[in-house]
Amino acid sequence: GAGVSQSPSNKVTEKGKDVELRCDPISGHTALYWYRQSLGQGLEFLIYFQGNSAPDKSGLPSDRFSAERTGGSVSTLTIQRTQQEDSAVYLCASSRRTGGAGNSPLHFGNGTRLTVT
Amino acid sequence: GQQVMQIPQYQHVQEGEDFTTYCNSSTTLSNIQWYKQRPGGHPVFLIQLVKSGEVKKQKRLTFQFGEAKKNSSLHITATQTTDVGTYFCAVTSSNYKLTFGKGTLLTVNP
Repeated sequence: GAGVSQSPSNKVTEKGKDVELRCDPISGHTALYWYRQSLGQGLEFLIYFQGNSAPDKSGLPSDRFSAERTGGSVSTLTIQRTQQEDSAVYLCASSRRTGGAGNSPLHFGNGTRLTVT
Repeated sequence: GQQVMQIPQYQHVQEGEDFTTYCNSSTTLSNIQWYKQRPGGHPVFLIQLVKSGEVKKQKRLTFQFGEAKKNSSLHITATQTTDVGTYFCAVTSSNYKLTFGKGTLLTVNP
């Protein structure tokens, strides 16, 4: 079936504007993750959803960042009053389940490249 | 939260040479996953190790999980230009958060 879909693929915004990033996970996947990757850097954990609830929001960099997930499916990551340091690739990933002896693999989308000018 | 150290940060090899990247944790891991990210791409799952001392092979790639489940390695035999990319390990916290190592960027000179 279809993979994880993220939109937009690219977003250029002016400093101070709000942006909304969307993630459509693979159908049936209950776990959904948001990561941020700056150029040439590793993956910075932002937030994780199990169903519609977010057991771990510890990675959100500031209160300008928020995320929600509705219907156990689509998730949106919102960044308010964007700053230049928010420029990065925002990656969404979903997996079938978590827990047990091992987690299911994460399936990543192609990411949204955010540039704040 | 769960922390994992990955070394080296960069590795440049001649085509045909071997390559190894290591992940180390100060605490016992429940499992470890490995991902590959090609330049300009997104991370792609390679494998998951769960058992102490586990060794798994995928063609020229060999994955090992330490006996104490605190370290893991990925070894590539006779690298090819198609192996270029960043290799990440990822470990699970008690609350099922998946934390990635900083990755090892592999470049291969043809």
